[in-house]
Amino acid sequence: DSGVTQTPKHLITATGQRVTLRCSPRSGDLSVYWYQQSLDQGLQFLIQYYNGEERAKGNILERFSAQQFPDLHSELNLSSLELGDSALYFCASTKDGSSGNTIYFGEGSWLTVV
Amino acid sequence: QKEVEQDPGPLSVPEGAIVSLNCTYSNSAFQYFMWYRQYSRKGPELLMYTYSSGNKEDGRFTAQVDKSSKYISLFIRDSQPSDSATYLCAIWGNNRLAFGKGNQVVVIP
Repeated sequence: DSGVTQTPKHLITATGQRVTLRCSPRSGDLSVYWYQQSLDQGLQFLIQYYNGEERAKGNILERFSAQQFPDLHSELNLSSLELGDSALYFCASTKDGSSGNTIYFGEGSWLTVV
Repeated sequence: QKEVEQDPGPLSVPEGAIVSLNCTYSNSAFQYFMWYRQYSRKGPELLMYTYSSGNKEDGRFTAQVDKSSKYISLFIRDSQPSDSATYLCAIWGNNRLAFGKGNQVVVIP
């Protein structure tokens, strides 16, 4: 158990809908990352937050948004969903985001868009 | 050019064989080099990380980094069926991890 908690584990939704994925980082970790994993693209970095502030942005679509709350949990919002958004979405956390050797991943949220 | 290249082909080996995996990367500014193991539909778990060129051993696992060639490798000695998983190389740079596509390894008893 990495200590990173993600909910829900699975969800199925229709095209055009909106979903929210939630992540609780490990105790003491201030930085949260979101990744998308699909069969063809592999693990793609979406966005990073550190102590409530956006720190780095990757290949995140405009239909997607994220935030980190004062209690350090984070939410990834996916809207106007398309079939191609079906993927595993992972959250990862680390203490300060300054180095890569202590990043721990949650178990992921499996999104299926039908 | 992708930041990290990992030939995503599957690999099947008999139990006890040596598994050899490798990746190349493009940005010489990258500092940390990691290998993650991922079981089916689970989160990636950190297997090993290295900072400098050279070898790092941890039990049956050896990670190797050659910064001059921008080449990283993972060797698994005396492979076991429990090693069957997807192995992903990852490079730390620009405040995030960039991943290779992963190799699915199957160790046949």
